[in-house]
Amino acid sequence: QKEVEQNSGPLSVPEGAIASLNCTYSDRGSQSFFWYRQYSGKSPELIMFIYSNGDKEDGRFTAQLNKASQYVSLLIRDSQPSDSATYLCAVPSGGSYIPTFGRGTSLIVHP
Amino acid sequence: GAGVSQSPRYKVAKRGQDVALRCDPISGHVSLFWYQQALGQGPEFLTYFQNEAQLDKSGLPSDRFFAERPEGSVSTLKIQRTQQEDSAVYLCASSSPAARSYEQYFGPGTRLTVT
Repeated sequence: QKEVEQNSGPLSVPEGAIASLNCTYSDRGSQSFFWYRQYSGKSPELIMFIYSNGDKEDGRFTAQLNKASQYVSLLIRDSQPSDSATYLCAVPSGGSYIPTFGRGTSLIVHP
Repeated sequence: GAGVSQSPRYKVAKRGQDVALRCDPISGHVSLFWYQQALGQGPEFLTYFQNEAQLDKSGLPSDRFFAERPEGSVSTLKIQRTQQEDSAVYLCASSSPAARSYEQYFGPGTRLTVT
């Protein structure tokens, strides 16, 4: 059973809209949560991490964490075509350095 | 400073051949990870080093896969007697564990095609 679940998409949003990407995880002991962006044919690039319940904002990106419901989300405001990529959620099990990656959600931002 | 580098970037092997994939982590990063990424999937963990010690190899899919990091910097992933199901992108990542900070930095990957 996959421990980190993401909808594979594609999620299609118009330019300027808010894109909402969701991830659920199974290990209640997990303490850190990461979002990576992966352009086609490229390697994953870390864009956000969050440790505490609530929201964390960085520019146009906001990560939201709800440990009680075991989900973490990524909001991208004012989406741009250059945001079109696959977004990977990564969650280390409690006490581990080793993250489990979701399969990723493909985001398409159309002009 | 330089990021994580991997070589070769592309490798075509005939079934049954042995291959060796190299990873140069970011200087000073003590942790090094290998992942396998199939098309349309997220990276799947293979093995983890802290300095020269291989602390976890639970993700290696068979005994044909072997990894080493003898001096705690460069690492090599070796696959013996390659099979078609080994075709994937092999990613290396490094990190420098600090308090509550496990961010990983990925190399460009090696795309392995077994024919």
